[in-house]
Amino acid sequence: GQQLNQSPQSMFIQEGEDVSMNCTSSSIFNTWLWYKQDPGEGPVLLIALYKAGELTSNGRLTAQFGITRKDSFLNISASIPSDVGIYFCAGDSRNTGKLIFGQGTTLQVKP
Amino acid sequence: DTEVTQTPKHLVMGMTNKKSLKCEQHMGHRAMYWYKQKAKKPPELMFVYSYEKLSINESVPSRFSPECPNSSLLNLHLHALQPEDSALYLCASSQGRRGVSYNEQFFGPGTRLTVL
Repeated sequence: GQQLNQSPQSMFIQEGEDVSMNCTSSSIFNTWLWYKQDPGEGPVLLIALYKAGELTSNGRLTAQFGITRKDSFLNISASIPSDVGIYFCAGDSRNTGKLIFGQGTTLQVKP
Repeated sequence: DTEVTQTPKHLVMGMTNKKSLKCEQHMGHRAMYWYKQKAKKPPELMFVYSYEKLSINESVPSRFSPECPNSSLLNLHLHALQPEDSALYLCASSQGRRGVSYNEQFFGPGTRLTVL
């Protein structure tokens, strides 16, 4: 079945640093989504991408839909303590609503 | 209203109990989802309802029984669960039209279920 490889698995950074994480797929996706999940809460949608090459920003967050349609990255600039959480990429190749999730990147920010 | 709400927030049940999880959204979304999530793992899809009809069942055991009474409500009925079913159960919704808006899924806060 389809799989998403998300890396890195975890990151421990200093406040103010920039962060980058990415997801790769063995097959083509039509949609890439990035979610953030705080402990004990549901995932919150950060950015949705629908076109190959698309670059989208949401505040300090920037995400891109890879040209090959098999990868996506998320950048966070000037990290702050509230950026702490687990970030998941998710994709769909068939527009059925059945998302494939990456394994998540756990981000810790040291003040 | 851009929220998906779930009740209860926490649930403890024995293996012989029958309980239900509830989910509600008032965004006019026509697709609703149940996910199961174990600690530090991604959500795992269980069921998808599209226009109040079950469209995807990911081979979920019959001790989990979904129900969609109307376009705003989604229930998950639980019966004879096992301790390994303990997890965070997430509900999500999306516009449900194929194409751009189908996959923007908005999640509720989840129900933390413990099976003793």
